[in-house]
Amino acid sequence: EVQLVESGGSLVEPGKSLRLSCAASGFNFSNGAMHWVRQGPGKGLEWGLEWVSYINMDSSTKLYAPSVRGRFTVFRDNGKKSLYLHLDSLRAEDTAVYYCVREIVGVGTYIWEWGQGTLVTVSS
Amino acid sequence: DIQLTQSPSFLSASVADRVTITCRASQGINTYLAWYQKKTGAAPKLLIYAASTLHSGVPSRFSASGSGTEFILTITSLQPEDLATYYCQQLHSFPLTFGGGTKIEIK
Repeated sequence: EVQLVESGGSLVEPGKSLRLSCAASGFNFSNGAMHWVRQGPGKGLEWGLEWVSYINMDSSTKLYAPSVRGRFTVFRDNGKKSLYLHLDSLRAEDTAVYYCVREIVGVGTYIWEWGQGTLVTVSS
Repeated sequence: DIQLTQSPSFLSASVADRVTITCRASQGINTYLAWYQKKTGAAPKLLIYAASTLHSGVPSRFSASGSGTEFILTITSLQPEDLATYYCQQLHSFPLTFGGGTKIEIK
């Protein structure tokens, strides 16, 4: 059974840093790309979904949403089957539930599998 | 960036009603579109991928169609457990984006 278990979310003051972790099991972690997605009040209707970051299987490609580029860093440890997101210079609008997502490549498509999320609250 | 516009943003319907949600992309995305169901406190649940393929385990009352810039999600007979917010997502190009969501209320 595929499992993605996020951790590290907490209440943090604006300007501070935080590191999120995602422990993967039940699949070949080193063989696929991963994403971070968040759901928070920072964009759109109520608590909308926002893609945050992407990392490919060997970490040679890392991509970020414009709203977090330069402040967040994604990395992975394939030996530990773990994905990480370092959040720096946190702002109130970064308050959200952060999800770890596994990407499965199909024929002409992608399928995503989601963890249960970890809550980050940025507030003084 | 590719913008996804969902409509309506809110709808109220009765059990057994047929419900339709539209998602429009600001540029063509072929069939790189997914639909999710999001309930409070739970992770998004994948309903549809590749614009029209029903994900494993998803009830057959859910269906979808579309290609290019116009996509539709249909629930043929709304059930009480379908109370949720539904999102479309494009996986065509980065930054990946989601629609603003459609919240369904059961009358």
